[in-house]
Amino acid sequence: GAVVSQHPSWVICKSGTSVKIECRSLDFQATTMFWYRQFPKKSLMLMATSNEGSKATYEQGVEKDKFLINHASLTLSTLTVTSAHPEDSSFYICSARWLAGNNEQFFGPGTRLTVL
Amino acid sequence: DAKTTQPTSMDCAEGRAANLPCNHSTISGNEYVYWYRQIHSQGPQYIIHGLKNNETNEMASLIITEDRKSSTLILPHATLRDTAVYYCIVRVAFSADKLIFGTGTRLQVFP
Repeated sequence: GAVVSQHPSWVICKSGTSVKIECRSLDFQATTMFWYRQFPKKSLMLMATSNEGSKATYEQGVEKDKFLINHASLTLSTLTVTSAHPEDSSFYICSARWLAGNNEQFFGPGTRLTVL
Repeated sequence: DAKTTQPTSMDCAEGRAANLPCNHSTISGNEYVYWYRQIHSQGPQYIIHGLKNNETNEMASLIITEDRKSSTLILPHATLRDTAVYYCIVRVAFSADKLIFGTGTRLQVFP
């Protein structure tokens, strides 16, 4: 149990386009999901906390208009990278907090974004 | 959350025990020690956590010093598939706190 999926697993897009990444908790409900970004050989950096039915909370230095987060249901959160540029190329990882599972977090497999 | 300090990298021969240290000298009384690992290009995977007693599961053992200022994750018989970055994190268990990852230890298991 406690499986988190992400879609797509990788995406290549042109500069200036927008890209949407989905994060789903497959077998549990997650009132809170987290979005991380990871550059090569670097650690995970928390971008934002996504709460079902309310606005996301962004970490300092993360542009909320650039990285749009929607948490429309208890099993789905989406991250949209708007007007993507090459510097947005990164590995994006989500995690879902299982409220009924002692608040433990489970991570998705990640999405590799490459902006040309 | 308290911060942790880990060595940047370690090597281990296949079949031998891998002992990964972590310092958390400012840990609070209600904070647990958690270990995750991240295999290349995958999401982090939970390994084990503990408060003050030693813990063991099917993946690893966790040894926490009596003063709780440091801990060691032990992979008893490392395999090539254990090559990954290992993260030690301290947090209040069962809380809604966000996980903050440090730099971790890059473990390389060699044949």
